[in-house]
Amino acid sequence: QKEVEQDPGPLSVPEGAIVSLNCTYSNSAFQYFMWYRQYSRKGPELLMYTYSSGNKEDGRFTAQVDKSSKYISLFIRDSQPSDSATYLCAMSGRTNAGKSTFGDGTTLTVKP
Amino acid sequence: NAGVTQTPKFRVLKTGQSMTLLCAQDMNHEYMYWYRQDPGMGLRLIHYSVGEGTTAKGEVPDGYNVSRLKKQNFLLGLESAAPSQTSVYFCASSGWTGTTDTQYFGPGTRLTVL
Repeated sequence: QKEVEQDPGPLSVPEGAIVSLNCTYSNSAFQYFMWYRQYSRKGPELLMYTYSSGNKEDGRFTAQVDKSSKYISLFIRDSQPSDSATYLCAMSGRTNAGKSTFGDGTTLTVKP
Repeated sequence: NAGVTQTPKFRVLKTGQSMTLLCAQDMNHEYMYWYRQDPGMGLRLIHYSVGEGTTAKGEVPDGYNVSRLKKQNFLLGLESAAPSQTSVYFCASSGWTGTTDTQYFGPGTRLTVL
């Protein structure tokens, strides 16, 4: 079983919809939780990160971590066609040489 | 700042040929990584380095070698390419920001082995 499981998708929504992307994990040592966005034929880029449990908001994006359930989510409000990309969750512990464990990604398409 | 750059962007090899992929970063990061990304399999760590002169194996190291002779460069070598090594290769670097290790990725190298 993988340490990080991500809802596989693909996901297709109309413009303006609220999108929920989710990952579960099994390693209790994970403390840092990241979401990367990867456009087609590009490298991943960091979108948001959170430390431990709680919510973090940045514009239309909200990252949520529930360590008790080992579950993280990324919410996108008022989704736009420019949000169409693959979203990767990633997690790491503090003493992990900076290594992150990535989910397999969820591909999102926002239709105009 | 150029961030993380990778050379080449595309390459086609025949089975048995060798090649080296070059990664360079200008952010003075200590940590560097090589990943491969295949459809439906996410990012898999090949090798990584925690500083100049150091390397370590990741999740899928077989068939690859690496070197980190200079802090800003991380080389990935394929000594005898196989079709199973057809993939997109990403290099990344990270540095402790005081709150987390954020990885910065290069644009990728698309490798096809015939």
